[in-house]
Order: sequence, then C-alpha cells, then structure tokens
Amino acid sequence: EAQVTQNPRYLITVTGKKLTVTCSQNMNHEYMSWYRQDPGLGLRQIYYSMNVEVTDKGDVPEGYKVSRKEKRNFPLILESPSPNQTSLYFCASSLSLGMNTEAFFGQGTRLTVV
Amino acid sequence: AQKVTQAQTEISVVEKEDVTLDCVYETRDTTYYLFWYKQPPSGELVFLIRRNSFDEQNEISGRYSWNFQKSTSSFNFTITASQVVDSAVYFCALSEADTGRRALTFGSGTRLQVQP
Repeated sequence: EAQVTQNPRYLITVTGKKLTVTCSQNMNHEYMSWYRQDPGLGLRQIYYSMNVEVTDKGDVPEGYKVSRKEKRNFPLILESPSPNQTSLYFCASSLSLGMNTEAFFGQGTRLTVV
Repeated sequence: AQKVTQAQTEISVVEKEDVTLDCVYETRDTTYYLFWYKQPPSGELVFLIRRNSFDEQNEISGRYSWNFQKSTSSFNFTITASQVVDSAVYFCALSEADTGRRALTFGSGTRLQVQP
C-alpha cells in the first residue's frame, strides 16, 4: 500500500530536549516536505527536499533541521524544542517537482512541548 | 506572493442540505494548481481534487462538485445532500508552478459540521 508513515503519532516533551520525528515513504518519491498545522493558520511549510542530499527552507524553518540521506526517509529534528513548536506536524511526498501530482500526507504527529 | 483565503471558519448544516465551501486565491503566476483536502476528526489529510490553472471545467464526483472561476480567482467546493460523515475540516490549497520549492499554500480551513 502506498503510504507516508510518520512516527510517533503523539509526543509530549520538555523544553530543550532534542527530538526527531521520522517520516518514510514507500512510493520512490523524489520530493518530500514537512508542514506544521496551527489553528487559524492552516498548514505552513517548514522544510522541503527535492532529492537525496538536497534540502531547503520553507516558510517557517526556524528551530528545525532536516536531513535526506536516503530517498525514502526525511526526518524532522528539533534540536532544542520550545513551547511555540507545539503543533500538528505533517510529512508529505510527491512523485516529482511538478505539481500535477498530488502530495501524499502522513497521518500527522501531534507534538506538545511543555 | 500567493495566498489562499477561506473566509468561512465554521459551517453547520443539517443532513441532506447542500453546502458550499468558498475558496479565493491570489497568485501572480499564470500556471498554478489548486487543491482541496479533507481532514476528518482522526486528523489525517485526504486528497480530494487537483485542478490546474488552464482547466476551468467544473468537476463532479458523486456528491462533490467544484466550481473553478479564474475571473473571480475562486475554487469553490459544493457537497450535495450532505451526510454526517462529511463532518471535517476542509482545506483549499494553491501551488505555483514557477516556484522551485513547490510548496502548497493552504487556506486556514473551514470546519463543516453536519448534524443528523
């Protein structure tokens, strides 16, 4: 089954404790990205990757890191989480850069930073 | 810069009513793509439709229909004979073909409550 898998689904952590949210897709997609969803703001892009070892900032990259060592994986790293990073996070992947393909989204990760 | 506006924050209807969710977008590009996604209470995002800027034909899929009008920069979504299972948050999104990062710009979403 074609899917984007995120882990964990739910996470409560404390300020400053490094964490990683994993994202994996099984569709051989080139393009992957991370979004965060906040009430009243919709989803906003954090980082994206056009292919292995190619990553770049989206609209709200501050406080986040990513890596793309393999095509299928695109982890989101919070080196020192803060309460304003409490949000619902989505990983997405697309076949290619062309937006004639819809983005497949993971199930979401609800992060709470206390 | 691209922008998507969903002015309706929340809509409540009774089952079997028709409901239209509005979406207005802004872009300077001539080539772009418009999307609708559904987010049910379980939280995942479900792709509903993609439309490119050169295709203004309206589309119908079962009880769902979409009205794309470039003249008013709108891409409205109508659910006919709504059902309780339609209760969800619906997002309209835009992607400009010319930007390298291919980000989806989302509206703030419309929460639809369908009462039995």
